[in-house]
Amino acid sequence: EPEVTQTPSHQVTQMGQEVILRCVPISNHLYFYWYRQILGQKVEFLVSFYNNEISEKSEIFDDQFSVERPDGSNFTLKIRSTKLEDSAMYFCASSEEAYSPLHFGNGTRLTVT
Amino acid sequence: DAKTTQPNSMESNEEEPVHLPCNHSTISGTDYIHWYRQLPSQGPEYVIHGLTSNVNNRMASLAIAEDRKSSTLILHRATLRDAAVYYCILRDGGGYQKVTFGTGTKLQVIP
Repeated sequence: EPEVTQTPSHQVTQMGQEVILRCVPISNHLYFYWYRQILGQKVEFLVSFYNNEISEKSEIFDDQFSVERPDGSNFTLKIRSTKLEDSAMYFCASSEEAYSPLHFGNGTRLTVT
Repeated sequence: DAKTTQPNSMESNEEEPVHLPCNHSTISGTDYIHWYRQLPSQGPEYVIHGLTSNVNNRMASLAIAEDRKSSTLILHRATLRDAAVYYCILRDGGGYQKVTFGTGTKLQVIP
């Protein structure tokens, strides 16, 4: 069964550094998403992406964050000038249609020290 | 986002059926009812979804009230692997909108 893959599984970075989290969505899916989950808290929506542009974003997704689909397969989340509070699990998801089920990757654990 | 209400936690004995309720009294005509679950240390996993009619798949069944203001996820025989947080979510069929996760129902399965 096709799946969403995320790399790396764990990323450790120092405060103030930039990180890029990578995702390969399911190949025939058109809608892409990033979520994050701080340890012990809810899964929080960050951004949705369709037709090479952001379709919705949350208040969390400020100028520190950006997303890109650099080629036909990858979907990336860039976090600039990381802060301690950016430490969380980051999940990528994709869906075939706007109302279709979301398929999630296994996440990248980001630790900012 | 249309809101859903779920109990914070439920318990079930292993191999017994589990009925997980969800209230969504403000559901609109184009909202699909989706259920996801999150096992410990994993990403959310799609379980089932429906619009008006009851739905069955290999994982579970979804029973939707006639007025669509509530639904129930049914696990026919709970296993230890079903211990997870279950989320009931409304997904607008009219456009690409964000999917918002609430706190869900934490299901504990007792051996």
